[in-house]
Amino acid sequence: AQSVTQLGSHVSVSEGALVLLRCNYSSSVPPYLFWYVQYPNQGLQLLLKYTTGATLVKGINGFEAEFKKSETSFHLTKPSAHMSDAAEYFCAVVQGAQKLVFGQGTRLTINP
Amino acid sequence: EPEVTQTPSHQVTQMGQEVILRCVPISNHLYFYWYRQILGQKVEFLVSFYNNEISEKSEIFDDQFSVERPDGSNFTLKIRSTKLEDSAMYFCASSGMSVQETQYFGPGTRLLVL
Repeated sequence: AQSVTQLGSHVSVSEGALVLLRCNYSSSVPPYLFWYVQYPNQGLQLLLKYTTGATLVKGINGFEAEFKKSETSFHLTKPSAHMSDAAEYFCAVVQGAQKLVFGQGTRLTINP
Repeated sequence: EPEVTQTPSHQVTQMGQEVILRCVPISNHLYFYWYRQILGQKVEFLVSFYNNEISEKSEIFDDQFSVERPDGSNFTLKIRSTKLEDSAMYFCASSGMSVQETQYFGPGTRLLVL
């Protein structure tokens, strides 16, 4: 069964600093990977996804993620953090037909 | 831009009562889902629904839960006899046919069982 591990339940960075949120997956088949963001009191919004093709995926709000098969990773990055990036971020992998399996989530805090 | 909507946004109920959570998926989507997120925990899959039947369900989705698409637009989750541990945020999602397609989530219904 596919699973996802997000290292670090809380990450804090300064405004303008690099954001790096870690995600490792386990999958017996080529994975379909997603990053979702959850702003306070809101639902889940898709940031980006990897299905096939280019391993560096660009998403909304300046985020990107790189699929590294050798490391079974799909880390999320953003070169320069903005205060509005403060939210909870979830990595997910598709299991079976279309079920999403989520990681535990990483709460990102931006310090002024 | 099309979006998934959910009602109510908040629901408070007494233990043992029945609740129905409602969702309107994106109109041309074919797969529908319910997930839940207990406070402080990760988002968990409950059930997927396609062609008017359940296509997959988790261990959480026991006989107390049921789903229905009563008309062409609504998708509902019913909990027959709520328990304290059913308190959570419930998310509806919808997607197209392909495994690669994105699941679009609604804003959620926060259920509190007293």
